[in-house]
Order: sequence, then C-alpha cells, then structure tokens
Amino acid sequence: SQQGEEDPQALSIQEGENATMNCSYKTSINNLQWYRQNSGRGLVHLILIRSNEREKHSGRLRVTLDTSKKSSSLLITASRAADTASYFCATVITGGGNKLTFGTGTQLKVEL
Amino acid sequence: DAGVTQSPTHLIKTRGQQVTLRCSPKSGHDTVSWYQQALGQGPQFIFQYYEEEERQRGNFPDRFSGHQFPNYSSELNVNALLLGDSALYLCASSRDRANTEAFFGQGTRLTVV
Repeated sequence: SQQGEEDPQALSIQEGENATMNCSYKTSINNLQWYRQNSGRGLVHLILIRSNEREKHSGRLRVTLDTSKKSSSLLITASRAADTASYFCATVITGGGNKLTFGTGTQLKVEL
Repeated sequence: DAGVTQSPTHLIKTRGQQVTLRCSPKSGHDTVSWYQQALGQGPQFIFQYYEEEERQRGNFPDRFSGHQFPNYSSELNVNALLLGDSALYLCASSRDRANTEAFFGQGTRLTVV
C-alpha cells in the first residue's frame, strides 16, 4: 500500500513560475526522498532529506520536512518546460530496512 | 559509468505464462530492489536482494521470485501471469543497505494479454 499521498495530484503552471508539491506520510521515517519520472520511464533521484533535517536545497529545488506533521514539500523555482514530469516522494520507514515506500505522485506540467 | 540497466524494455506475454526480467546494477552497487508500478500509481516494493539473498519482501504473492548473482545482477521471475501483472517493473540499485539514495533503471514495460 502507499505510504502517503501527494498534493496536488496534478499541477499546471507557466514557465518561470514556482511549483510546490506536498507529501504526507503515515509512520516514523529515517529519510524522505523525492524522485522525478518522465513519461512513465525510470525514476531520477532529486534529493534526500534525513529525519533530523528540516530543509535542504539543491539547485532550483528546495525541500522541507516537518516530522511532527509527517509532511514534506518540494519547491521548484523558476520552472522550465523540461521540468514537466511526475514527481514522487518516497520514505524509508524506521525499522523497515531501506526499501522505498512511494506516494501517489504529482503530475507537473510547465507550459511555455 | 553505466547506470542501472534493465532488459528487455518491453514485453508482451499471455496469461498463464512465465516471464524473467533482468537488471544490472550501477557500478559499485551491491543491493538490488525491484518495484512494480501500475499505470497512474507510485511504485510498489516487491523485494530486495543483497549478498545473493532476498532480504526484504513486499506484499506480493509467491508467484514473484527473484535471484541475485555473484556479480550483483538480478532477475525477477513472475509465474502464472495474470492480466493484473501488467505494469512497469523497475529495478533500483544502491551502494549498500543503509538509507542512501537508490538509482533506478528505465524499467521493463510488461503487458499481459
């Protein structure tokens, strides 16, 4: 079963705008990771944030983690058409080994 | 440096048949995990192999089995295929069993007719 949900399910923005996606999960985690998937192919790792971290940056990406609310957000700044993809959060659950438990994904469309 | 490679990329099988999917992990990685992704859903964990043994298993029936070879490559076998097994099968490798990032292959699209 899915660990949690992502919100919104779909997001359409104009190039240059910022895109924010949210992820909620259910159980205690070791870390949370964000992945991008283009056209139903392989997933590309974007960023990993550990349970003792609150914010992390990588290029145009900013991820926050609130373990008290069991939620995370991914912000993509100055979006480009090439950012069009599905974005998934995945958690590594405490005591669950290192398997990834994925959310339901957000479909992002960036229009010119 | 080759990433994770999977073969074949597409496959069509008939109900009741058996299928074998293959995965070569990224260089330097020794842990391989398999995921099933149905259309419109997030990937679901099938199992993980490390040191040629299944270490973790998700909620999948025994029809799903696997193997890891001494060179760390892996196979996923599915017996008695059902229509519901149609999905994208993803292989992911990581450099150890610690909580590090996983690198995914491009997947095998399996269609059961």
